[in-house]
Amino acid sequence: NAGVTQTPKFQVLKTGQSMTLQCAQDMNHNSMYWYRQDPGMGLRLIYYSASEGTTDKGEVPNGYNVSRLNKREFSLRLESAAPSQTSVYFCASRGGVWPYGYTFGSGTRLTVV
Amino acid sequence: QKEVEQNSGPLSVPEGAIASLNCTYSDRGSQSFFWYRQYSGKSPELIMSIYSNGDKEDGRFTAQLNKASQYVSLLIRDSQPSDSATYLCAVKTDTGNQFYFGTGTSLTVIP
Repeated sequence: NAGVTQTPKFQVLKTGQSMTLQCAQDMNHNSMYWYRQDPGMGLRLIYYSASEGTTDKGEVPNGYNVSRLNKREFSLRLESAAPSQTSVYFCASRGGVWPYGYTFGSGTRLTVV
Repeated sequence: QKEVEQNSGPLSVPEGAIASLNCTYSDRGSQSFFWYRQYSGKSPELIMSIYSNGDKEDGRFTAQLNKASQYVSLLIRDSQPSDSATYLCAVKTDTGNQFYFGTGTSLTVIP
């Protein structure tokens, strides 16, 4: 009953470093999402994947890339981290019983110094 | 621009009272509506969904939807200290695959 698993839970990066956030779901959901959450800004969509093999930009895609590796896995990559990317990142998947709410992972708290 | 507006609060209610959380949305094509609860430092968890006008009850929670007024609310009856959290309203429109979230309302239930 893992649901959506995100790794790592915490990360500190130096400006300019790169990293990949991993996300995997075991619920056989088609759609997966990456959000960032900042104080006063709510949850903002970075990228999403409606199904295996497809990805689309969300509201704030600049500075990020994604890969939908297979139906289970959806990764988020920061190629050259900037302090503005300090945030909490949530992966989510969607499916199951209509109206198909999101199930969120536990989040990654990223600090870029 | 698809906007979802919530009063950020904080909203404080005494234990046992009814907490009323409100959300308005701008896109008339919005189709499904969701309430998530988020404890500090945790991820959002789904507590209610609604897609038809009227009320939907689940235990102590009631979601209310009025599409004509573009308004959705969440009532929490017999509020408990464990209900203290931030409540996020999310909306899915009839186009696209993603949800749009409000910034959340912080609720504190005072023992």
